[in-house]
This record gives sequence, C-alpha cells and structure tokens, in this order.
Amino acid sequence: QKEVEQNSGPLSVPEGAIASLNCTYSDRGSQSFFWYRQYSGKSPELIMSIYSNGDKEDGRFTAQLNKASQYVSLLIRDSQPSDSATYLCAVTSGSARQLTFGSGTQLTVLP
Amino acid sequence: KAGVTQTPRYLIKTRGQQVTLSCSPISGHRSVSWYQQTPGQGLQFLFEYFSETQRNKGNFPGRFSGRQFSNSRSEMNVSTLELGDSALYLCASSLGTREETQYFGPGTRLLVL
Repeated sequence: QKEVEQNSGPLSVPEGAIASLNCTYSDRGSQSFFWYRQYSGKSPELIMSIYSNGDKEDGRFTAQLNKASQYVSLLIRDSQPSDSATYLCAVTSGSARQLTFGSGTQLTVLP
Repeated sequence: KAGVTQTPRYLIKTRGQQVTLSCSPISGHRSVSWYQQTPGQGLQFLFEYFSETQRNKGNFPGRFSGRQFSNSRSEMNVSTLELGDSALYLCASSLGTREETQYFGPGTRLLVL
C-alpha cells in the first residue's frame, strides 16, 4: 500500500492563477514533510520543508500541514509557465531519514 | 557551496554486467542517500550512508550495494544487471540529522540493454 498519496493529475491552471497540490500520508508518526519540484529529465529540487502544523510561506509558495488529518498541501500563487513541472511530496517517519515519495502531480501552467 | 555531483551522468550497459556510480555530497554533509527513479515505481529509497556506515536500507535485492568513504563520497554498485535496473539513480546529501533536508544531485541515467 502506497504510504504517500498524491493526485497524479495532470493539473492545468492559467497563468496568474493559484495552483493547489495535495498530499496525504498514512504513517501518523511522520515528522518531516517536503515538496520537491522536478522538471522533465532533471533531478528533484527542494521547494519547501515543513515540520509543524500550520502554514509556511516562501515567496509565491505556501505549504500547509495538518497532522490530525495527515494532509499536506502546496499552494503556488501567481502561477507562471516556468512552474510547469512535476511536484513531489515526500515524508520522513520515525528515526528513519529516508524520504518516502508520492507519485507526483504534473502541473501545467498555461500562458 | 558546490552542489551534489554524480558521475557518470549517463551509462549504457548490457544484462549481466555490473556498474559503479559515484556521488560527492555537498561540503560538510555527512549523509548520502541513494534513490532509484523509474516511470513505473517512482522514486524509491535504496540506502543511506553516514560516517562510512550504512544506516538504513530500502527493499532492494542484494545486487544493489554501496559504500561511503572517509571524505563522505559514496559509491553504489549494481551487479548482474537486469533490464529492469534501467532507471535514473539519484544521490541526495544532508547533514545527517533527523529533520534535515536532503539535496539531490543531477542523477545518473542507466540504460541496461
């Protein structure tokens, strides 16, 4: 059973809109949560990390974590065509430092 | 700071051969993790090394092995290659604490024919 679930998409939004990406996880002991962006043919690039409940903002990006609902999301405001990529949600649990990834959501921002 | 580097970037091998991939972490990072990415299985954890010791291991067969040197550089080896080993192999480095972010290298793309 997949431990980290994401909507595979594809998700399309117009330029300037808000893109909302969602992720759920099954392990209640999960402690660290990450969003990575991966362009086609490239390696994952860290966008945000979040460790406690609530919102964390960094520029146009906001990560939201709700541990009670086992849910983490990423909002991208004022989406740009350059944001078009696959967004990967990753989680670490317990004492392990390994990242468990979701299957990714492919985002396309239409000019 | 220089990022994570991986060599080679591309490899073509045939079934039954073995391959060694190399990863140099960010300066000061002591933890190196290896991941395999395929279209079908996505990103999967192979193993993690910290201070020359394997600290964690994923669910891969024994054909996949690794090591870490005293300068934190790491190598992974795949013996008796199978067609299904064709993948992007990613190395990620971190300081090694529990909450620490992992930063990925550019990857090595392996094609097994």
